[in-house]
Amino acid sequence: NAGVTQTPKFQVLKTGQSMTLQCAQDMNHNSMYWYRQDPGMGLRLIYYSASEGTTDKGEVPNGYNVSRLNKREFSLRLESAAPSQTSVYFCASALRTQVEKAFFGQGTRLTVV
Amino acid sequence: KNQVEQSPQSLIILEGKNCTLQCNYTVSPFSNLRWYKQDTGRGPVSLTIMTFSENTKSNGRYTATLDADTKQSSLHITASQLSDSASYICVVSFSKAAGNKLTFGGGTRVLVKP
Repeated sequence: NAGVTQTPKFQVLKTGQSMTLQCAQDMNHNSMYWYRQDPGMGLRLIYYSASEGTTDKGEVPNGYNVSRLNKREFSLRLESAAPSQTSVYFCASALRTQVEKAFFGQGTRLTVV
Repeated sequence: KNQVEQSPQSLIILEGKNCTLQCNYTVSPFSNLRWYKQDTGRGPVSLTIMTFSENTKSNGRYTATLDADTKQSSLHITASQLSDSASYICVVSFSKAAGNKLTFGGGTRVLVKP
């Protein structure tokens, strides 16, 4: 049972480059989330998708876009990477009514130089 | 603004000793509180979850307590092991119209030394 799978695990980008972080879950969860984790700070919600076909901004959406491709997959795109986006990114999924029981992926460590 | 504050930021303990981590929150309306363990380079993994009406919840050597009146929670680790070295994150959820949201504390980094 894979749970939540993120790719890639590590990535280095130059300022201005674009990339997409992939996330897939095999638990038939309705809701999916993208968070970023910075040193000394709690995880902050970037975007979330309460159900297939819907996406909403979280706490720190600027500089990001998302796509809920289907029920399994939720991608996060950086159109023009900036050093401030250097962070560890976590994808999570949960049943729609049980966000408190979210399962997390292993994270993507992104460095923008 | 909803906030979750954890203390201490980090601590070092000797293997076999006990320790207690603190979490204070201002989230309202409160739904439930969860403690996660995050190993270095991994995603958070749930340890315990407590609703408003629960005072304590155990998971092996981990015991979480909750005082909803004072909005405080603690995570007690008993007889620490080297594998307990990790960050421990307090997460509080509150209900909003668009669905429950999570507010994360900054975590406490625990290092268990032999």
